[in-house]
Formats: sequence, structure tokens, C-alpha cells
Amino acid sequence: DTGVSQDPRHKITKRGQNVTFRCDPISEHNRLYWYRQTLGQGPEFLTYFQNEAQLEKSRLLSDRFSAERPKGSFSTLEIQRTEQGDSAMYLCASSPPRTGVSGELFFGEGSRLTVL
Amino acid sequence: AQRVTQPEKLLSVFKGAPVELKCNYSYSGSPELFWYVQYSRQRLQLLLRHISRESIKGFTADLNKGETSFHLKKPFAQEEDSAMYYCALSSSSNDYKLSFGAGTTVTVRA
Repeated sequence: DTGVSQDPRHKITKRGQNVTFRCDPISEHNRLYWYRQTLGQGPEFLTYFQNEAQLEKSRLLSDRFSAERPKGSFSTLEIQRTEQGDSAMYLCASSPPRTGVSGELFFGEGSRLTVL
Repeated sequence: AQRVTQPEKLLSVFKGAPVELKCNYSYSGSPELFWYVQYSRQRLQLLLRHISRESIKGFTADLNKGETSFHLKKPFAQEEDSAMYYCALSSSSNDYKLSFGAGTTVTVRA
């Protein structure tokens, strides 16, 4: 499967612990996005990268959240001092370089976080 | 700001009946609209985009700028159409980041 892969698929942690999610995009895609999805809602934008540069962070991303894409390939999303409100599905998506015409996002299967 | 509204959380239709999923958006410029679908135990994927003006799996969607709507339609629903459907919007002014609606769960009954 050469699609977007995310790891781990499920994570259960206690409040206050740190968690890290990894996303491996499709290899030729230079853009990588993180979204968060809670029950009954659509995906909400968190942050995105073009190559290794982080272009924007949503206001949803508090100081406890940090994302990196050090070599412009895989990305990590770390949540420090988790809170119960962080429980959600964290989706990663990638897309090829834009050509002036909007392209589609290719999503991973998501990493589901449960904070007890 | 760009916003997408899907007024129906749940939609249940019989097989062979028409189905229409409503999507309204608010955006002052020229948006690009999409429908994404998530089948059971599969990842979110693009169904169709307004600029393509194509029919995918029998679904069509027309962008109505006057009514700021992008409703998804299929004349004869099939059981395999049961899924979660998300309307999404992007724009050049927002570097084409997608904003999603809350989604509509479609159940097609035999």
C-alpha cells in the first residue's frame, strides 16, 4: 500500500502523559496536513507543511501541540500533558505540489487518541 | 472566513430512491467545492469536485453561487452508497486548505 500511513492507529493514555503520532505521506507529495476529528464533526484543520516548512498553525493548536517534518518526508505530531479534551481522531493527509488548480488530499486512516 | 454547513446529520433512503445531500457555504470569493466520502472502515477519500463537473458513481453536484450551495445528488441510491459524506471548501486566498462540514451519514435500506 503506497498510501498515507499513520502510526499508531490507536493510543490510550492517561491524562498528563505525552503522546506522539507519526505520518508517512505519499512519497512524491510535498504538502502534508494534520486534521483533528471529534465525534459528530468533520475534520478540523490543525497545521500543514510544504516540504519541511510549517506554513500555518490553527488556533486549535495550543502550545501543548507541536508538529515537525524535519526532512520534508514523514511528520510527527506531539501532544504534551494530554487532557481529556484531546481525545479525537488525528488525521494526516498529503497532496502533490499545486499546479494552480486545486488538488485532492490523500488521507491516512487516522490515529485515534483516548485520554483517560 | 470560510464555513461549510451540512444541515442533515442523518439521511435514510430506500434502495432505488433518489438521494440529495445538502451543503451550503459561506465565502466571499471564488471557492472550490468538493465532496469527500468515507465508507465503513475505509479512509476519507475524494468523491468529486465542482471544477470537474463530472459524475462519479452516479453522483453529481452543481455549484450554485447565487444560493451558495453545492448539493450532492444521485437519482437511484444503491446499498453501497451507505457512507459518511463531507462537503468541503477551499480557496486560493486560504492556500487551498480544506474546510469541512460536519458530515451527513447516509443509510440506504434494501
